[in-house]
Amino acid sequence: EVQLAESGGGLIQPGGSLTLSCVASGFTVSNNYMSWVRQAPGKGLEWVSVIYSGGSTFYADSVKGRFTISRDNSRNTLFLQMNSLRVEDTAVYYCARGSVTGPGYFDFWGQGTLVTVSS
Amino acid sequence: DIQMTQSPSSMSASVGDRVTITCRASQGISSWLAWYQKKPGKAPKPLIYAASSLQSGVPSRFSGSGSGTDFTLTISSLQPEDFATYYCQQANSFPYTFGQGTKLEIK
Repeated sequence: EVQLAESGGGLIQPGGSLTLSCVASGFTVSNNYMSWVRQAPGKGLEWVSVIYSGGSTFYADSVKGRFTISRDNSRNTLFLQMNSLRVEDTAVYYCARGSVTGPGYFDFWGQGTLVTVSS
Repeated sequence: DIQMTQSPSSMSASVGDRVTITCRASQGISSWLAWYQKKPGKAPKPLIYAASSLQSGVPSRFSGSGSGTDFTLTISSLQPEDFATYYCQQANSFPYTFGQGTKLEIK
């Protein structure tokens, strides 16, 4: 059974750093497209970043230069390192697997982890 | 960036109703479109990919259509568990973008 479990969220001050983790089971992270998607309180969904099976990475303009997506193949885990955090980064962050039919079709999602950026 | 616009933003309907939600892309995306159902405190649930293909396990009362810039999600007969917010999303190019959502409420 495919499962994704995020962790690492919490309360952080503006300008701070945080690393989110997403442990996968039932499939191999390194063989799939893996994305992070977020939802700010009361807002819609926003795609954040993707890492391809080959290792290529792409980011939304709103996080480019501040966030880094990566994976640890030995732990079958996806990461999102977030630096220079802003109040507007406050959101529930989901990891999601890209489908074999297209990297932008997210067929499995984690339950999300809440990041709150506030002083 | 490709902008996705959904209509309506909210609607109310009754159990058994047929409901249609529309999604328009600011430029052509062929059939690179997905639909998701979102309930508070839950992860988004994938419903449709490639504009009209049903995700595994999704009831057949859900259907999608369209290509290019105009797309629709139809629920043929609303069930109590279908009251939620629905999002379209383009998967044609980076950055992937979502519509603003359509909140479906019980009448």
